[in-house]
Amino acid sequence: GESVGLHLPTLSVQEGDNSIINCAYSNSASDYFIWYKQESGKGPQFIIDIRSNMDKRQGQRVTVLLNKTVKHLSLQIAATQPGDSAVYFCAENIGGTSYGKLTFGQGTILTVHP
Amino acid sequence: GAVVSQHPSWVICKSGTSVKIECRSLDFQATTMFWYRQFPKQSLMLMATSNEGSKATYEQGVEKDKFLINHASLTLSTLTVTSAHPEDSSFYICSAGGYGTEAFFGQGTRLTVV
Repeated sequence: GESVGLHLPTLSVQEGDNSIINCAYSNSASDYFIWYKQESGKGPQFIIDIRSNMDKRQGQRVTVLLNKTVKHLSLQIAATQPGDSAVYFCAENIGGTSYGKLTFGQGTILTVHP
Repeated sequence: GAVVSQHPSWVICKSGTSVKIECRSLDFQATTMFWYRQFPKQSLMLMATSNEGSKATYEQGVEKDKFLINHASLTLSTLTVTSAHPEDSSFYICSAGGYGTEAFFGQGTRLTVV
């Protein structure tokens, strides 16, 4: 059931700044990782993914870094905009070749101030 | 990307009644869909894997007799919350696809049991 008083980590930045959101994952055998953005009342929206044979992948304004040694993922957002304000989740694939079976991290609330 | 649609977006029901949530893949066929639950200010938790033409696979701690899953076609999976109680109030999200690509999420269904 619901945990009373649980708070997600928060990150507040000014518009135009770069944002870095971090995530630790649990399974050293995980081979595929994804970052999702979730706005209030909506389902997760795909941002960027990375496979375990890579340590960096870039998209439009976003970069994901993977450090398998310490089981750590980060999402870098360049020139953060107010529209980037949302909750960001990392997820790791636990379903083998079926990339829809995911374990999600706890999430980080990103707030971008104009 | 592919489109996954959930219906309804929100529902309010009385305690003790059952509620059905639909998840449709609109432009692709999905042999596997996934159901997640998300309580306020928490992350997504995988409830079950919905398999077309066969029984769903439930995660540990999820009651299969309470959360009935039917995946009768390649484009539709349904989740029925039976004998709903206030503690079942949550945001239910489905996803589909994901073989070699990212999974696509529905927009979620907000269930409130009164």
